[in-house]
Amino acid sequence: DTGVSQDPRHKITKRGQNVTFRCDPISEHNRLYWYRQTLGQGPEFLTYFQNEAQLEKSRLLSDRFSAERPKGSFSTLEIQRTEQGDSAMYLCASSLGLAGSSTDTQYFGPGTRLTVL
Amino acid sequence: AQSVTQLGSHVSVSEGALVLLRCNYSSSVPPYLFWYVQYPNQGLQLLLKYTTGATLVKGINGFEAEFKKSETSFHLTKPSAHMSDAAEYFCAVTSTGYSSASKIIFGSGTRLSIRP
Repeated sequence: DTGVSQDPRHKITKRGQNVTFRCDPISEHNRLYWYRQTLGQGPEFLTYFQNEAQLEKSRLLSDRFSAERPKGSFSTLEIQRTEQGDSAMYLCASSLGLAGSSTDTQYFGPGTRLTVL
Repeated sequence: AQSVTQLGSHVSVSEGALVLLRCNYSSSVPPYLFWYVQYPNQGLQLLLKYTTGATLVKGINGFEAEFKKSETSFHLTKPSAHMSDAAEYFCAVTSTGYSSASKIIFGSGTRLSIRP
């Protein structure tokens, strides 16, 4: 069990550029989540996958944001036409997703820190 | 809708002293409650969680929390602080019985400092 990994750990980009982040969950976990954490705040839910299906998206996820999990394993989060307000830590988490369980323990990755200049 | 309020954005205690981090929640359905810890430049680590059953929950690193439904509270305590406990602590809630139950709602965090 190597834990949840995220790549890159840090990303600096100029306003208007597109960025893509990758998350690799714990191998047997079928649920994957994305959160955003701004300075001095707790993480805020963005979106959630059960296997390859994206089951819920937050209102925070504007049209410039898109997330995929094509084979039910790793996931990518893309931000198009970045804005300075997108600067934040983007956290990925995964969980086992036991059948019939409405919730289970989420394990977090180290995050990708995005800075938009 | 669920929400979490953490009282005190910064708490400072002396090494060896009692740690008390306060958390109140709001939920229209029976909640699942969590405490996570975040060290600098790292992700979140689960300290403990309450789902059902015993209201006093023990976690890692000597922390425990008590679910008090009448007070809608889930305060985190540790009898004796250690320098390594310095970190950001997040209280969180999720709900039962909804399809979106896996979504965690976090508080704004409490930064714990330990004085030598």
